[in-house]
Amino acid sequence: EVQVVESGGGLVQPGGSLRLSCAASGFIFSDHYMDWVRQAPGKGLEWVGRIRNKARSYTTEYAASVKGRFTISGDNSKNSLYLQMNSLKTEDTAVYYCARSGRGGYSPIDVWGQGTAVTVSS
Amino acid sequence: DIQMTQSPSSLSASVGDRVTITCRASQGISKSLAWFQQKPGKAPKSLIYDISSLQSGVPSKFSGSGSGTDFTLTINSLQPEDSATYYCQQYNDYPITFGQGTRLEIK
Repeated sequence: EVQVVESGGGLVQPGGSLRLSCAASGFIFSDHYMDWVRQAPGKGLEWVGRIRNKARSYTTEYAASVKGRFTISGDNSKNSLYLQMNSLKTEDTAVYYCARSGRGGYSPIDVWGQGTAVTVSS
Repeated sequence: DIQMTQSPSSLSASVGDRVTITCRASQGISKSLAWFQQKPGKAPKSLIYDISSLQSGVPSKFSGSGSGTDFTLTINSLQPEDSATYYCQQYNDYPITFGQGTRLEIK
């Protein structure tokens, strides 16, 4: 079964850092693009960023709201995706979803994790 | 950035009805349009990609259509379990962007 499971959420103070993890199973991790999407309380979905697959040299893209503060990386040996979040702001409070996308080109999301909640507050 | 505008923001329909949700892109997005369903407190679920292709396991009561900048999601034979918020998304250009969502209530 194809599955992605997030972990690492929690409470952090403004200006702090947090690393989210996403464990992938049931598919060849290095073949797929992977995304992070977040949802602030009571709000809609916001795309955070993407890491492309091995064939595309694991290049990344980010939303303007997180560029320079968040970093997406992956570890094929552990079939895991990460989201390193630095200089956190209160507006980063959200449920963060890991999602699998396609294998290249214009890649839609097809599989979502259950999400992990991040609260940025003093 | 490509802006995605959904209408209506919310709607109410009865069991057995057919509903249509519209999504408009601020510029052409070729066929890079997806639809997602999200129930309260749950993760989104992928329904449709490339305008009209159903994700694996999605029932045929869901269908998508459109081209260029105007797209629709149609849901036939509404059931209580279809009550959810529906989002469109474009993945033609970065940043990837979502519509604001359409909340569907089943009366």
